[in-house]
Formats: sequence, structure tokens, C-alpha cells
Amino acid sequence: AQSVTQLDSHVSVSEGTPVLLRCNYSSSYSPSLFWYVQHPNKGLQLLLKYTSAATLVKGINGFEAEFKKSETSFHLTKPSAHMSDAAEYFCVVSEAGGGNKLTFGTGTQLKVEL
Amino acid sequence: DTEVTQTPKHLVMGMTNKKSLKCEQHMGHRAMYWYKQKAKKPPELMFVYSYEKLSINESVPSRFSPECPNSSLLNLHLHALQPEDSALYLCASSTRLTASNQPQHFGDGTRLSIL
Repeated sequence: AQSVTQLDSHVSVSEGTPVLLRCNYSSSYSPSLFWYVQHPNKGLQLLLKYTSAATLVKGINGFEAEFKKSETSFHLTKPSAHMSDAAEYFCVVSEAGGGNKLTFGTGTQLKVEL
Repeated sequence: DTEVTQTPKHLVMGMTNKKSLKCEQHMGHRAMYWYKQKAKKPPELMFVYSYEKLSINESVPSRFSPECPNSSLLNLHLHALQPEDSALYLCASSTRLTASNQPQHFGDGTRLSIL
């Protein structure tokens, strides 16, 4: 069985400061991990994915995430937040042999202040 | 711009109406999905099609009826819905159902309101 825990339901940062959104996962098999972003009244947009290649994954819009197997974590970071980054972020796991069935975290609402 | 197109963007219907949601992708993906998303919650899987055949039905009430007429199109037929069915309905696609390392690509959804 697989599960995802997003440790913060809300994160607030100032524009230009670093962003850290935390995600821990549980998986019986080799997982694939994804971060998606959802802006208001929009669908989910893929930010980045980890699929057992490099543990440091770079995504779109300056985001990156590091897969740490020993800590079962896949935290999302960005060096400098922009106002346009304000959105809901979902950490998602897909398990090999799981038929591409996704398990979503509960989401983190990122607020960016001036 | 998303590569998965959903129509309509908004839909208001009464509990006795029949309507359909449409989803289209031209990425050559052979797995397509319907999700329901309530406010401030993650998406919940409803149906999965693989090579135009229904593969997964997550115990969805029969008032929701999916259809996959070809590899590019996915429909969701709605009939006699309840107020609690008001939500954002998302369509997604991926290369193949067995490729768990390939991401799902989502449309922008249809915002459904039941009066």
C-alpha cells in the first residue's frame, strides 16, 4: 500500500524568499513521485517527477525536489518565491504494479506575500 | 495551455437533467481517467479507461456513466444527479495504464453545479 503525507496544509512566504513544501511517502515497491500545482479554477499541472533516475529533480518554474529514500521524503523547494507561485500543491505517489493509480497528499496551500 | 481539453468549462443543471462532459487528448495516450474534486481536497479517482475499455470503476453511483468512443475522446454522461455531486470534474490521460512512472496530464476541468 502507498500513502503520502504533506506536513503543512498552509505555507506563507514573502516574495523573493525560499519556498519549502514538505512531503513524506510510504510505498511497498519502487515508487514514482510527482509534484503537481493547481491554480484557482484550473486543472493540475505537473511540476516535476522522480522515477528512479537522479535523486535531485529539476522541474518547471525554478522548482526542484530531492528524493531521499532513507527519510522517505520528497520535499519541494524553490530559491525565490514569486507572486505567481501562490497556488495549491499536491505531492503524489504512483507505485510500480499499481496500474498507474495515483495516491495524492492532502495538499499545501502556498501564499506569497509582498 | 493544457494538452487535455475539457468542455464545457462550467455546467449548471437540475437534478432531473441529462448532460455530458467531454474530454479530448491528441497525445496518443491510451489511458484516460475521470476524477472528482471537491473544494480544498485532492482529486478522487472515479473511472479509468485503458485502450478504450473500462478498467477501473471506483464504486461510482450509476448516475455517472462513462464512455470512451475512441482513443482520443472520453465522455461522462450525467443523469439524475444530487446536490452533493457539485464539484470540479477533471479528466486526465497518460501513455499506458501499466506505465506507473509516466505522469498523468490533466485538463482544466468542468465546474459542475447541481441545483
